[in-house]
Amino acid sequence: EDKVVQSPLSLVVHEGDTVTLNCSYEVTNFRSLLWYKQEKKAPTFLFMLTSSGIEKKSGRLSSILDKKELFSILNITATQTGDSAIYLCAVLPHNTDKLIFGTGTRLQVFP
Amino acid sequence: EAGVAQSPRYKIIEKRQSVAFWCNPISGHATLYWYQQILGQGPKLLIQFQNNGVVDDSQLPKDRFSAERLKGVDSTLKIQPAKLEDSAVYLCASSSVRQALTEAFFGQGTRLTVV
Repeated sequence: EDKVVQSPLSLVVHEGDTVTLNCSYEVTNFRSLLWYKQEKKAPTFLFMLTSSGIEKKSGRLSSILDKKELFSILNITATQTGDSAIYLCAVLPHNTDKLIFGTGTRLQVFP
Repeated sequence: EAGVAQSPRYKIIEKRQSVAFWCNPISGHATLYWYQQILGQGPKLLIQFQNNGVVDDSQLPKDRFSAERLKGVDSTLKIQPAKLEDSAVYLCASSSVRQALTEAFFGQGTRLTVV
């Protein structure tokens, strides 16, 4: 059965800290991996990763995929209180539009 | 560009009652998704529409859940009768091109509590 596992489940840090969120997967016919940020209820898209070793970067957020070891990490540097959210990792297999989500990592950033 | 609209935002019902959720996707988006997100879990796809046709409803509990997308625009998701384990956030998302999920936009969701 396809599955996506995220760790840690929860993380509490102070502003300015750097955090690394982990996502590992076991999926048949992997196509791509996506990261979403979920504040309150609506997930918003962050990154899509398809190739190994190529870092995607957006401001203080960056992500990379390792297709050999079947995992991805999401880094957030110089965290701010506005980064507090649930970060969802999802995998998209080939021949389907059905995203397989992990349970998410709840990040809380305190001043 | 207006986002995906969902209503109601919150709903509390007793078990065995019925409930319906409404979703209005972004104008022009052909693909519409309904997800169920139970507290502490990631979203799970319930049903996917392409225009007004169903593409995937393999995880929809069809004995109690139904969904329709008349005229390929708005969609409704119904639960009848509701169970306690249906308590969750129901997210609607839409995208303009099939298999281009980076373009999927989520609505604010409906939080359902079944008591």
